[in-house]
Amino acid sequence: ETGVTQSPTHLIKTRGQQVTLRCSSQSGHNTVSWYQQALGQGPQFIFQYYREEENGRGNFPPRFSGLQFPNYSSELNVNALELDDSALYLCASRLRQANPEAFFGQGTRLTVV
Amino acid sequence: GESVGLHLPTLSVQEGDNSIINCAYSNSASDYFIWYKQESGKGPQFIIDIRSNMDKRQGQRVTVLLNKTVKHLSLQIAATQPGDSAVYFCAETRTGTASKLTFGTGTRLQVTL
Repeated sequence: ETGVTQSPTHLIKTRGQQVTLRCSSQSGHNTVSWYQQALGQGPQFIFQYYREEENGRGNFPPRFSGLQFPNYSSELNVNALELDDSALYLCASRLRQANPEAFFGQGTRLTVV
Repeated sequence: GESVGLHLPTLSVQEGDNSIINCAYSNSASDYFIWYKQESGKGPQFIIDIRSNMDKRQGQRVTVLLNKTVKHLSLQIAATQPGDSAVYFCAETRTGTASKLTFGTGTRLQVTL
């Protein structure tokens, strides 16, 4: 177990709806990243949060947004859900921004119908 | 249950044999590399890492080799066990403030009895 916990583990949403996914980072880890993993592919970087601010973003539209809280936990919000948003969403935490070792949670499986 | 990597390259190995999983990375500026193991329905699990100033690193039953000249990584698993069956991803990053991981396509390892 990595100590990174995500909730919920599974959920089903309808196209056009909004969703919020949550992540608690490993104790003491202040940097959180989110990844999207489509079936049969490797994880794709969405964005990273450090000290409650986004400081890196992958090739994802603005309807993907996030938050980081003072306790370093994080949320991923996706608006106007599309069918292609169906994927496993992974949260990864790092001890410090300068530490490259990333530890992943078990993921949230999102299905958009 | 769900399956990660339905169309991934597959390596089939007999229990007790050694496994070698290969990965080509793309960014010559990458200076840190990680191998992850992902079982069905779970997040990626950190196995071993290596920095670009090394060409070999050993862990428990695993060895990672790095060839920067041809941008190639390999993961060697000694005495492969049924519990090693999973999808294996290599990931690369350039250490810095927003150290996003870029994942390879993954290889499914099947251990036969």
